[in-house]
Amino acid sequence: DGGITQSPKYLFRKEGQNVTLSCEQNLNHDAMYWYRQDPGQGLRLIYYSQIVNDFQKGDIAEGYSVSREKKESFPLTVTSAQKNPTAFYLCASSTGQGVYGYTFGSGTRLTVV
Amino acid sequence: GENVEQHPSTLSVQEGDSAVIKCTYSDSASNYFPWYKQELGKRPQLIIDIRSNVGEKKDQRIAVTLNKTAKHFSLHITETQPEDSAVYFCAAGGSQGNLIFGKGTKLSVKP
Repeated sequence: DGGITQSPKYLFRKEGQNVTLSCEQNLNHDAMYWYRQDPGQGLRLIYYSQIVNDFQKGDIAEGYSVSREKKESFPLTVTSAQKNPTAFYLCASSTGQGVYGYTFGSGTRLTVV
Repeated sequence: GENVEQHPSTLSVQEGDSAVIKCTYSDSASNYFPWYKQELGKRPQLIIDIRSNVGEKKDQRIAVTLNKTAKHFSLHITETQPEDSAVYFCAAGGSQGNLIFGKGTKLSVKP
């Protein structure tokens, strides 16, 4: 499915819960990214990682956390501190030589119930 | 911080007409400018890109132009078809090693 897989496709979260979104790639890409998409807001960068065991905050990191223990995996945790988590979340990866070869996953739609 | 402005936010054209979407960027160090097409509920797909050493690039009905001095770039779609209807995003390759996206343009092509 394009070499980058996100799961689940749909996720429901109760108030006060942490949830983790999975992102796995088999493209041998060094860099991985998490974006949040809201209607009319485009894609906003949450976190990104250019190498294993290292990551940087994007524009809207508050209420989110990530880890990069393996090159293939970059999970995103939406914590209870994120007050408005309902959105479409997109994971992407690139070769890391800049931003070329950006490939997106199919997304996870998170809804607070 | 780095910013990409995209206009218009919505665009409606008749089938067969041309569509133009414009973007401006703030980071003068940006050197890569891709365009993505996103259909409802799906992932963004790269449709064309341009690097800063090129002023124009064309691929069948779509073309992109870049003016580095003015820091703006545009997407041109000719002979539009209903299947071109989607949201289009421009982006600029940021100096931090990530892409900064515009807010998107919803293109509607009426048969």
